[in-house]
Amino acid sequence: DVKVTQSSRYLVKRTGEKVFLECVQDMDHENMFWYRQDPGLGLRLIYFSYDVKMKEKGDIPEGYSVSREKKERFSLILESASTNQTSMYLCASSMTSPVKGTEAFFGQGTRLTVV
Amino acid sequence: KNQVEQSPQSLIILEGKNCTLQCNYTVSPFSNLRWYKQDTGRGPVSLTIMTFSENTKSNGRYTATLDADTKQSSLHITASQLSDSASYICVVSATNAGNMLTFGGGTRLMVKP
Repeated sequence: DVKVTQSSRYLVKRTGEKVFLECVQDMDHENMFWYRQDPGLGLRLIYFSYDVKMKEKGDIPEGYSVSREKKERFSLILESASTNQTSMYLCASSMTSPVKGTEAFFGQGTRLTVV
Repeated sequence: KNQVEQSPQSLIILEGKNCTLQCNYTVSPFSNLRWYKQDTGRGPVSLTIMTFSENTKSNGRYTATLDADTKQSSLHITASQLSDSASYICVVSATNAGNMLTFGGGTRLMVKP
């Protein structure tokens, strides 16, 4: 079974803190994604990566950065956390394939609260 | 702009009843459409995939339909169970967009005893 593991289920951080969300997948997938999920807005793409050391902005990259130093690990960084970044963060991975690659495998999510 | 709209936003039904969730999309050129189930506090999990040539596909008590002409899909749940309570998300991919996915806002289903 594909496994995507996010380092924390729940996090509480203070405004202005630097926050690291870690994600690891064990299926040798090329593609990894970070989404945030908010009530009424669905899933929105923050950043994605098609390969090691490669990153592309998604729909809402402002206030975030990412790092992919190894194929299995994709980190999301909040440089200076703000209260509007309180959300559920979901990491996903997928293979590079025309049809199979459109199935995203998700981690369990990290619920981040910024106070 | 690629968009996926789902309805209703939320739905409450009694255990044992059937229900149908709707998905309309404007993603083009169309590659495939997936329905995901997301349990509370969990990440979404793929239930079924519909490609252009498929009209209907079943996965147990779940039946998905696709009308590529009208760009509509539905997910029908038969004889609902309490464990069906979840959010159901419609996700569409385009052939020219690599592995980029367009997500619907989801339908939150609650099955009551």
